[in-house]
Amino acid sequence: KNEVEQSPQNLTAQEGEFITINCSYSVGISALHWLQQHPGGGIVSLFMLSSGKKKHGRLIATINIQEKHSSLHITASHPRDSAVYICADPMEYGNKLVFGAGTILRVKS
Amino acid sequence: EAGVTQFPSHSVIEKGQTVTLRCDPISGHDNLYWYRRVMGKEIKFLLHFVKESKQDESGMPNNRFLAERTGGTYSTLKVQPAELEDSGVYFCASSQDRWGYTFGSGTRLTVV
Repeated sequence: KNEVEQSPQNLTAQEGEFITINCSYSVGISALHWLQQHPGGGIVSLFMLSSGKKKHGRLIATINIQEKHSSLHITASHPRDSAVYICADPMEYGNKLVFGAGTILRVKS
Repeated sequence: EAGVTQFPSHSVIEKGQTVTLRCDPISGHDNLYWYRRVMGKEIKFLLHFVKESKQDESGMPNNRFLAERTGGTYSTLKVQPAELEDSGVYFCASSQDRWGYTFGSGTRLTVV
C-alpha cells in the first residue's frame, strides 16, 4: 500500500465542469505538494500547503492536517487542464517527496 | 531566473551500455534531488544532495547507479551497465528550503 493515495486514477470531464481530485497521506510532515505534468512535459509545482486553503486562478487546494487529506479543485475546467495531477508528501528528514500515483485528467470540449 | 535544466531530454541506449544524465539546479539551491518514474508506477525518490554531499541515497536501486555533484553545482547520474528495467523518466529537482521545490523537465531513458 502506497503511503500517498490518490483518487480517482482517471477522470474525464466536460469543459466547464468542476473537478475534484483527492489525496490521502499517512506519513511525512504536515504539508503536501500538488504537481502537474502535461503529456511529454516536465513537472510543475502548483501548490505547497500546510494548512487551510490556497487559490491560484481556477485552481484551489485544501488540506486537513488532522485527517491527513487534501483536495485539488479545478473550477470551470478547460481542455488545457488535461494533464496528470500528482500529490506528494514531504518527509521530515531531508524533505524528500513521496508521490501519489497521479490522476490522469482529460477535459473534453 | 533559469529553472532546473536536465540533459538529455531523451536517450535510447542498448542494454549493457552506459548513460550519463545531467542536472543543472537553480543557482544557489543547496538541495538537489533525483527521482524517477518507471512505467506504470509512481515517481520514486533516488537520492538527495546537500551541496556536494550525499544526504540520502536510500532510493538508489543498486550499484549500477552512480550519482555525483561536483562542487555543489550540477549533478550527474550514471547508469552502468544499463538494464531494461532502468527505462523510465528521470527527474531532477532543486530547492533552497523546505517549501520551494522546482523540477526539471526530465530525461526519458529507454533501454532496448
